[in-house]
Amino acid sequence: DGGITQSPKYLFRKEGQNVTLSCEQNLNHDAMYWYRQDPGQGLRLIYYSQIVNDFQKGDIAEGYSVSREKKESFPLTVTSAQKNPTAFYLCASSPYSGRTTYNEQFFGPGTRLTVL
Amino acid sequence: AQTVTQSQPEMSVQEAETVTLSCTYDTSESDYYLFWYKQPPSRQMILVIRQEAYKQQNATENRFSVNFQKAAKSFSLKISDSQLGDAAMYFCAYRSAGIADKLIFGTGTRLQVFP
Repeated sequence: DGGITQSPKYLFRKEGQNVTLSCEQNLNHDAMYWYRQDPGQGLRLIYYSQIVNDFQKGDIAEGYSVSREKKESFPLTVTSAQKNPTAFYLCASSPYSGRTTYNEQFFGPGTRLTVL
Repeated sequence: AQTVTQSQPEMSVQEAETVTLSCTYDTSESDYYLFWYKQPPSRQMILVIRQEAYKQQNATENRFSVNFQKAAKSFSLKISDSQLGDAAMYFCAYRSAGIADKLIFGTGTRLQVFP
């Protein structure tokens, strides 16, 4: 089945530790995105990547890092510099094809990160 | 910068009735897209309906329709014949027609459906 997978579903981290959230897609999509969801705040963009080996900061990139070495994969690392990392993290992808074409973003099932 | 506002944190509707969720946005752009996403308890984001700003005709998808008022920067979602499965968080989102496919989300409206 084609889709987006995120692992793990639940993740616990001790303060001061880095942790990496996995996002994989087999939809052959060019673009991938990471969002953070907090109660009462909707989704906010952390990082996005439109092609392999390239990515841009979103609105709340501080304390996070990403890589895009393969088209299918866009892992997100939550570093110890992120002061309030407890949240729900959603990965998305879309068949990016340029400025004037609409491309639907498809979302993964999410990862719930809790800092202990 | 663009912003999206959903002023109704919670709404409720009786099964088979109609409910309207409100969304307003602020932008200086003339070309953009607007969306409604549904997030059920599973937390999977599902696209409900989308509207291109250059289209005057309101989008419709089965029981879901929008009232797009470009001048007023308003984009409401109407759910007709509400079903128990419609209970979810609903997010309004904006996307510029620019190169980056970034979505800007509102804070969401929780919809409860009563039998």
